[in-house]
Amino acid sequence: DMVMTQTPLSLSVTPGQPASISCKSSQSLLHSDGKTYLYWYLQKPGQPPQLLIYEVSNRFSGVPDRFSGSGSGTDFTLKISRVEAEDAGVYYCMQSIQLPPWTFGEGTKVEIK
Amino acid sequence: QVQLVQSGAEVKKPGASVKVSCKASGYTFTTYAMSWVRQAPGQRPEWMGWINAGNGNTKYSQKFQGRVTITRDTSASTAYMELSSLRSEDTAVYYCTRVAYWGQGTLVTVSS
Repeated sequence: DMVMTQTPLSLSVTPGQPASISCKSSQSLLHSDGKTYLYWYLQKPGQPPQLLIYEVSNRFSGVPDRFSGSGSGTDFTLKISRVEAEDAGVYYCMQSIQLPPWTFGEGTKVEIK
Repeated sequence: QVQLVQSGAEVKKPGASVKVSCKASGYTFTTYAMSWVRQAPGQRPEWMGWINAGNGNTKYSQKFQGRVTITRDTSASTAYMELSSLRSEDTAVYYCTRVAYWGQGTLVTVSS
């Protein structure tokens, strides 16, 4: 199975400061159709994951523009330009190029100071 | 708006089966595949399987092969996930998801 490795596993950020999370896949996520099937989710306690970014860099509907995704091949990054209190939670990267199965990173817990 | 509404929490004994439903609305059900993902307490989400809601084709994670069955009822716009031979390690929240949209989750507790 595809292995997704996230770093760091936890992050403590002051409101207004930037934050960055890395995700590396064990194989390229570039499909022959030209798309790269890498997603970023935020999960808050007691809620399902909510999609932030799809196909590396596309913000999902309603996601604030302080969230951005970048990367290619096997290396990807989620950046928050100015962290807000509501950004607290666990962030997961996920790949869906390999089916079965989709696989998720181990998660990065973001705490707001 | 797209909504996925799941059935309620379940408590099962080891060895039993559980069937969770996921009713979709706000889009044409047969146009999109539906996946099932579970999440044990404090763990990352874990993909279990997928159904093409149009033709009913399924794919399952090797980990659950033989124990999980995903079906759909197109007339009811509902997908189902059945997991058999339950053990304590199957205690988790089970989600249906269309990648961008997720059900609210169904807690399945396996306990004697």
